[in-house]
Amino acid sequence: NAGVMQNPRHLVRRRGQEARLRCSPMKGHSHVYWYRQLPEEGLKFMVYLQKENIIDESGMPKERFSAEFPKEGPSILRIQQVVRGDSAAYFCASSPRRRGTGDYEQYFGPGTRLTVT
Amino acid sequence: AQTVTQSQPEMSVQEAETVTLSCTYDTSESDYYLFWYKQPPSRQMILVIRQEAYKQQNATENRFSVNFQKAAKSFSLKISDSQLGDAAMYFCASPLGGGADGLTFGKGTHLIIQP
Repeated sequence: NAGVMQNPRHLVRRRGQEARLRCSPMKGHSHVYWYRQLPEEGLKFMVYLQKENIIDESGMPKERFSAEFPKEGPSILRIQQVVRGDSAAYFCASSPRRRGTGDYEQYFGPGTRLTVT
Repeated sequence: AQTVTQSQPEMSVQEAETVTLSCTYDTSESDYYLFWYKQPPSRQMILVIRQEAYKQQNATENRFSVNFQKAAKSFSLKISDSQLGDAAMYFCASPLGGGADGLTFGKGTHLIIQP
């Protein structure tokens, strides 16, 4: 069973460009989470999605950031008009169920390192 | 917002010795999971161990065990017989709170293994 897949692993964008980060959850997992890790920091929650639904986006910046998890295909985290402060590692995690409905843990992908020049 | 505090930015231990990494958290929930993740230089986040808050017994996974003190909101990680491959950043994580499914992480402890 393949783990959580993320691509690209490294992404370089110039200021003002768009960044698209993709995440394929583990097989059988329909719950996806995105986190951001700044240098020397822990991970910060951004958004939680199920297929075709955004459940919790309380950690998403109000502008330029969006996320989706379509019925078919990977989850996408999209950052428009990137700025230097967006440079970070972006991690995706998946789980087979919601918290409170049984054994719960989040499995992480290898992350995408975004560098904005 | 819930917070997780890891008060040790860096810890060093001799190979084969035992080390304990501390973590305190803040939650108003009664039923939740707590996690320790390891992040080696590859930056992959690897689940080390988890604890269900309603279980009295401390979780154990081979050389890794926790000391979970629910009343004190303390969740420390003990690594026995430390190995060179244990060198990594270790992050403690708890629920965001308010019934949310997302996790909140501490700032991490950098564990150094001295050969």
